[in-house]
Amino acid sequence: AQKITQTQPGMFVQEKEAVTLDCTYDTSDPSYGLFWYKQPSSGEMIFLIYQGSYDQQNATEGRYSLNFQKARKSANLVISASQLGDSAMYFCAMREVRGMRFGAGTRLTVKP
Amino acid sequence: DVKVTQSSRYLVKRTGEKVFLECVQDMDHENMFWYRQDPGLGLRLIYFSYDVKMKEKGDIPEGYSVSREKKERFSLILESASTNQTSMYLCASRLSGTGGFGGNTIYFGEGSWLTVV
Repeated sequence: AQKITQTQPGMFVQEKEAVTLDCTYDTSDPSYGLFWYKQPSSGEMIFLIYQGSYDQQNATEGRYSLNFQKARKSANLVISASQLGDSAMYFCAMREVRGMRFGAGTRLTVKP
Repeated sequence: DVKVTQSSRYLVKRTGEKVFLECVQDMDHENMFWYRQDPGLGLRLIYFSYDVKMKEKGDIPEGYSVSREKKERFSLILESASTNQTSMYLCASRLSGTGGFGGNTIYFGEGSWLTVV
């Protein structure tokens, strides 16, 4: 069975600094997709970034980048130049036939 | 833009009541999902549907049922609500597909906060 592990229940970062949110995964499928979602206090899930297992380069979307280390089965999210609006829950997830397998999430708090 | 709409954002129900959570998507997606979100546990799959009238149990189906009579609508039913079903419920949809970004991405509704007293 696939598994997603986020070991950081909470993280703090100073405004304008970079922060890395950890995610490790376990799957026996050679082809897979990894996602990061942001969930503000309002509850909606906002898609941030996607990495395919065969993608040659690490994904980037604006201030978000994904540090994909396939051999180590890790897919860490890096947020550069943190903003107060980045304070939220962040979920790492992997595609499954039955939708998406999620990690437990990391609550990021950005300090002014 | 894909739109997934959950009919109720906040509900308070009594123990034993039958509860309906409705979800509608406007992008002709084949796959639809109901998740439950609890602190420290992330999102857990309750039920999913491949297509109209097709449904399968997820990881935590006990105490829930679903209905998908039309492609755009997926309903979650709590037959007899209990206090341990107090949670946030998220509906989602996705194009069916085997790979790539388009075949993978799930789109979520805004969530329904259910309190059972």
